[in-house]
Amino acid sequence: SQTIHQWPATLVQPVGSPLSLECTVEGTSNPNLYWYRQAAGRGLQLLFYSVGIGQISSEVPQNLSASRPQDRQFILSSKKLLLSDSGFYLCAWSPLTNNQPQHFGDGTRLSIL
Amino acid sequence: SQQGEEDPQALSIQEGENATMNCSYKTSINNLQWYRQNSGRGLVHLILIRSNEREKHSGRLRVTLDTSKKSSSLLITASRAADTASYFCATGGGATNKLIFGTGTLLAVQP
Repeated sequence: SQTIHQWPATLVQPVGSPLSLECTVEGTSNPNLYWYRQAAGRGLQLLFYSVGIGQISSEVPQNLSASRPQDRQFILSSKKLLLSDSGFYLCAWSPLTNNQPQHFGDGTRLSIL
Repeated sequence: SQQGEEDPQALSIQEGENATMNCSYKTSINNLQWYRQNSGRGLVHLILIRSNEREKHSGRLRVTLDTSKKSSSLLITASRAADTASYFCATGGGATNKLIFGTGTLLAVQP
């Protein structure tokens, strides 16, 4: 069966520090991969998605970037964190075929001080 | 940007009662999906209904879709305390399976 791992679960970082959040998927090949951010009490905002290695699409301009160095690895990064980067970050995957659900990791709670 | 708007924003009911949540969206879709999120956790997929379907069932869940009104509803029958969670609708389309999520309904089921 497929599983998705996301870490760390919580992270406290100072303003201006770098960020690296990692997400890996097991049990499937060539998945679509997604990064979302969720503000407190709100819906999910799609940040990035990827349909293959090295293929990244950005949905909103921001202080973050994403990379996909391997088929089942998706990384969210920042060179210098801002206070506004605080939030709950969720990684998800879906099969490559159309009309498929997404499957989510347990998220990373990021607090910027 | 948010595609869907859920209504109500919050709902409190007693165990055993039915819970109905509504979702409205703006653009044409390939499918509409419902997800549940327990506090502090990731989202769990509940049900997917395609644009050419009008109703779908899964256990105690019933989803309807009215593409002419650009709306969907999620009915949870005989609710349980364990159903307490936030529920989100999301519209999907295209080969990338990208989703646009609504703002969610916070459901509290009192034992």
